[in-house]
Amino acid sequence: QQKVQQSPESLIVPEGGMASLNCTSSDRNVDYFWWYRQHSGKSPKMLMSIFSNGEKEEGRFTVHLNKASLHTSLHIRDSQPSDSALYLCAASRNTGNYKYVFGAGTRLKVIA
Amino acid sequence: EAAVTQSPRNKVTVTGGNVTLSCRQTNSHNYMYWYRQDTGHGLRLIHYSYGAGNLQIGDVPDGYKATRTTQEDFFLLLELASPSQTSLYFCASRGNQNTLYFGAGTRLSVL
Repeated sequence: QQKVQQSPESLIVPEGGMASLNCTSSDRNVDYFWWYRQHSGKSPKMLMSIFSNGEKEEGRFTVHLNKASLHTSLHIRDSQPSDSALYLCAASRNTGNYKYVFGAGTRLKVIA
Repeated sequence: EAAVTQSPRNKVTVTGGNVTLSCRQTNSHNYMYWYRQDTGHGLRLIHYSYGAGNLQIGDVPDGYKATRTTQEDFFLLLELASPSQTSLYFCASRGNQNTLYFGAGTRLSVL
């Protein structure tokens, strides 16, 4: 069964600091990775996706992907209290059935 | 943004009871998914479907049935509910660029 491992389980960063979250898939056939953010009491919403080796930046958020190691990371710079949430990593294959497997998540708390 | 509607939002039942969770999307998306969310486990895939009449088995299917009656409607059925099925259930549909759009969730308690 495909597994997606996320670390750390929880993270506390000061306001204005950098948060770094990690995710690794055990399925060699995975091609696509997503990061979803879930605020308390809400449903998950897609934050960023990455399909190619390298880096992708959108505002304060940067995602890295190393396809050889099936590892992706999310970095949030200038963290804000509103970034406090559960961050979920998802992985899927590009072809065949579109089955999305999620990790257990990293709970981020940004303290003022 | 794509809309996914789940009902009911909250449900309480007893052990051995019958429960049906409903999900509707009007985005013309082909793929729909049922996940359960429990602390420490993230989102775990129960069943999914790529169209009316189709059903694919997820990673934690035991104790659950599902049926996709139309493009819009996907149902999750618990025919003999057990306390281990107490959870938060999310339905999602797959939209453009492979993004999943989630409903607001159904909180189920099995006493």
